[in-house]
Amino acid sequence: DIQMTQSPSSLSASVGDRVTITCRASQSINRYFNWFQQKPGKAPKVLIYGASSLQSGVPSRFSGSGSGTDFTLTISSLQPEDFATYYCQQTYSFPITFGQGTRLEIK
Amino acid sequence: EVQLVESGGGLVQPGGSLRLSCEASGFIFSRYWMSCVRQAPGKGLEWVANIRQDGSDKYYVDSVKGRFTISRDNAKSSLYLQMNSLRAEDTAVYYCARIEFHGSGSADWHFDLWGRGTLVTVSS
Repeated sequence: DIQMTQSPSSLSASVGDRVTITCRASQSINRYFNWFQQKPGKAPKVLIYGASSLQSGVPSRFSGSGSGTDFTLTISSLQPEDFATYYCQQTYSFPITFGQGTRLEIK
Repeated sequence: EVQLVESGGGLVQPGGSLRLSCEASGFIFSRYWMSCVRQAPGKGLEWVANIRQDGSDKYYVDSVKGRFTISRDNAKSSLYLQMNSLRAEDTAVYYCARIEFHGSGSADWHFDLWGRGTLVTVSS
């Protein structure tokens, strides 16, 4: 199974900050990789697919990069509604696996 | 409105069975691969199963193989997850999700639509 490891596991930041979350795959997954945001009590929502494509309707302050084993999610200027948990996911091979999550909290 | 609505969750004893349903509306259900994802209380996301548009291909996480069966009825725009031999570690919110292919490869996909989830609690 492909292990997905996110860092950090939690992060405190302020509105307006630039934030980067990273995800590392245990083997190369090309660009078969997605980022999700989840708020408490809600279903996850896709932000970035194919490592760097912005899902329709997602603000442009979100961006993704990477290929192979190392990926990043960047939020260029944090907004109050961005405080949530973020998950990475690989679709390269079954079983599909997610990272453990990064909880983004208000400083 | 484009949506997925899960139902069928509840409290079940260890060793018991439960059948979850997910009803789709607002889109042509038969055109999409579908998936089930779960989330144990306070924990992360865990993929459970995928099913092809016509039900001919199914994939499962090892921990549910032989116990869970994913199926669909395209005439009813519905996805099902039959869960047997339930264990305490199956306790979770179960989501159904629609798969959108964004490229030409079989791995070029993402979940673009999720239901609100249904809670399954396995406890005596």
